[in-house]
Amino acid sequence: EVQLVGSGGGLVQPGGSLRLSCAASGFTFSTYSMNWVRQAPGKGLEWVSYIGDTASRIYYADSVKGRFSISRDNAKNSLYLQMNSLRDVDTAVYYCARGLLMSGLDFWGQGTLVTVSS
Amino acid sequence: QSALTQPPSASGSPGQSVTISCTGTSSDVGRYNYVSWYQQHPGKAPKLMIYEVIKRPSGVPDRFSGSKSGNTASLTVSGLQAEDEADYYCSSYAGSTVGLFGGGTKLTVL
Repeated sequence: EVQLVGSGGGLVQPGGSLRLSCAASGFTFSTYSMNWVRQAPGKGLEWVSYIGDTASRIYYADSVKGRFSISRDNAKNSLYLQMNSLRDVDTAVYYCARGLLMSGLDFWGQGTLVTVSS
Repeated sequence: QSALTQPPSASGSPGQSVTISCTGTSSDVGRYNYVSWYQQHPGKAPKLMIYEVIKRPSGVPDRFSGSKSGNTASLTVSGLQAEDEADYYCSSYAGSTVGLFGGGTKLTVL
């Protein structure tokens, strides 16, 4: 069974940092592209970042470029999102999701809540 | 890149059909046959319902269908059931560096 389990969320002050993790199981993680997608409270989905299967291709939404960094460890079947210089508007549930944007994100984690507040 | 445009709400009675639109531009929806649709129940993660405009992942009922005309994609739910009540989001590939989602449509089964 495919599983994506996100962790690392919490309360952080503006300007602070947080590192999210996503543990994958039930599939060959190293052969899949991965994404982070977020959803602010009561709002819609926003794509945040993409990383290819070998990490050779990495993309970011303009809203997080220069502040967030996506990475993966295929040996540990894990995806990461390092979030720096956090702002109030970054408050959201962050989902890790498997797949290519062009062919749909076919499995999603349960989400981890990040709250940026003083 | 701007978000794709969806109606905020849609509704239908059980057994009826309802169609949700998703309008983009000639740079995204109009350019690529890479539109996806996601269903999200309250407090749950999104679920892929349609990909590449018309394809259904395994396990998704054939009551769900997708189409596209010009810069507008559509999701049709036929034979509405109570469990179809959820938020629906469209997404389009917009070039290798960008991912776009619509604002979401709340589907109510009357």
